[in-house]
Amino acid sequence: SQKIEQNSEALNIQEGKTATLTCNYTNYSPAYLQWYRQDPGRGPVFLLLIRENEKEKRKERLKVTFDTTLKQSLFHITASQPADSATYLCAHLGTGTASKLTFGTGTRLQVTL
Amino acid sequence: NAGVMQNPRHLVRRRGQEARLRCSPMKGHSHVYWYRQLPEEGLKFMVYLQKENIIDESGMPKERFSAEFPKEGPSILRIQQVVRGDSAAYFCASSPLIAENTEAFFGQGTRLTVV
Repeated sequence: SQKIEQNSEALNIQEGKTATLTCNYTNYSPAYLQWYRQDPGRGPVFLLLIRENEKEKRKERLKVTFDTTLKQSLFHITASQPADSATYLCAHLGTGTASKLTFGTGTRLQVTL
Repeated sequence: NAGVMQNPRHLVRRRGQEARLRCSPMKGHSHVYWYRQLPEEGLKFMVYLQKENIIDESGMPKERFSAEFPKEGPSILRIQQVVRGDSAAYFCASSPLIAENTEAFFGQGTRLTVV
């Protein structure tokens, strides 16, 4: 079955460093991957979307890559700040009559001073 | 344009009671998804609805759970005869159309506690 997997262990980094989160997918080839941020007690918020033929996508301090050979997307936050601390979710929206937005388990990022 | 509105934000029910969770999608959005999230776990897909139609309910338990999205009014997720294991955060998301490059907009969730 189709799977999206993220490292469930929390990632702790120091302020100012670059955080890199990984999303791996198996048993299918999504044309798009999406990344969301979720803060405790709140709903996820969309951040970025990347197409399979886009190697890289940027938005301010955020960068997403998509490697179809490795079946992997990487999410980078440069110059990280404590306010970036949250859970980051990778997701894929299928198409067709059985479309659904499927999420990875998310990786919690903690940025410390 | 108000975002996705879910109510109530918190709901406490005794075992055996019914829980009704409401979701008003963003204006102009005709696609609604419901998800369940347990503490420290990911979002589990439950059901995908369009106006007056259930498109995919593969993630919803066959018994006690039902969902609807009527022509008028909010989408409703209904849980009958709740049990302690139903305690979770339930999130609703909406989108204007279905395409792989479409983002979903989430509500703030309803936290259901079964006592």
